[in-house]
Amino acid sequence: DSGVTQTPKHLITATGQRVTLRCSPRSGDLSVYWYQQSLDQGLQFLIQYYNGEERAKGNILERFSAQQFPDLHSELNLSSLELGDSALYFCASSADSSTDTQYFGPGTRLTVL
Amino acid sequence: GNSVTQMEGPVTLSEEAFLTINCTYTATGYPSLFWYVQYPGEGLQLLLKATKADDKGSNKGFEATYRKETTSFHLEKGSVQVSDSAVYFCALSVPAGGTSYGKLTFGQGTILTVHP
Repeated sequence: DSGVTQTPKHLITATGQRVTLRCSPRSGDLSVYWYQQSLDQGLQFLIQYYNGEERAKGNILERFSAQQFPDLHSELNLSSLELGDSALYFCASSADSSTDTQYFGPGTRLTVL
Repeated sequence: GNSVTQMEGPVTLSEEAFLTINCTYTATGYPSLFWYVQYPGEGLQLLLKATKADDKGSNKGFEATYRKETTSFHLEKGSVQVSDSAVYFCALSVPAGGTSYGKLTFGQGTILTVHP
């Protein structure tokens, strides 16, 4: 158990819908990262937050957004969903910006029908 | 840009065989290197890491040595078990500025299957 929690574990929805994925980092960790794992793209970095502020963006679509709240949990919002958004979404956390090691949650499997 | 290349899989071995999974990288700056493992239906677990040249990361019988001259970080285990069957990912993280670290860049993953 990494100490990073993600909910829900599975999510099934239809095209055009909007969903919210939730992540709670390890106790005391300030930095949260979101990754997408798909068969064709592999593991891709989406976005990083540090202590409530956006720190870096990767291959994140404009339909996707995220935020980190004062209690340090983070949410990833996916809207206008398409079939190709079906993937595993992972959250990871690290202690602070100078720590290179990230610990991953169990992931949320999103299926768009 | 930064990239990681892993040997193509899948890899199938018999129990107690020797394992090598090759990993090479391209990076600007001086990366930290990682191996993560993903068991069926689970998330990614950190297996081992190394942060500077010639460092050896080790855990659960797995080892990998940071080779700057060959830009490699090959994963090895002397005697694999059925329970080692999983997907293995090589990854790197480069300082984003000063001591600040950013995203992980992953290889494509190598599926390992170990038969009794």
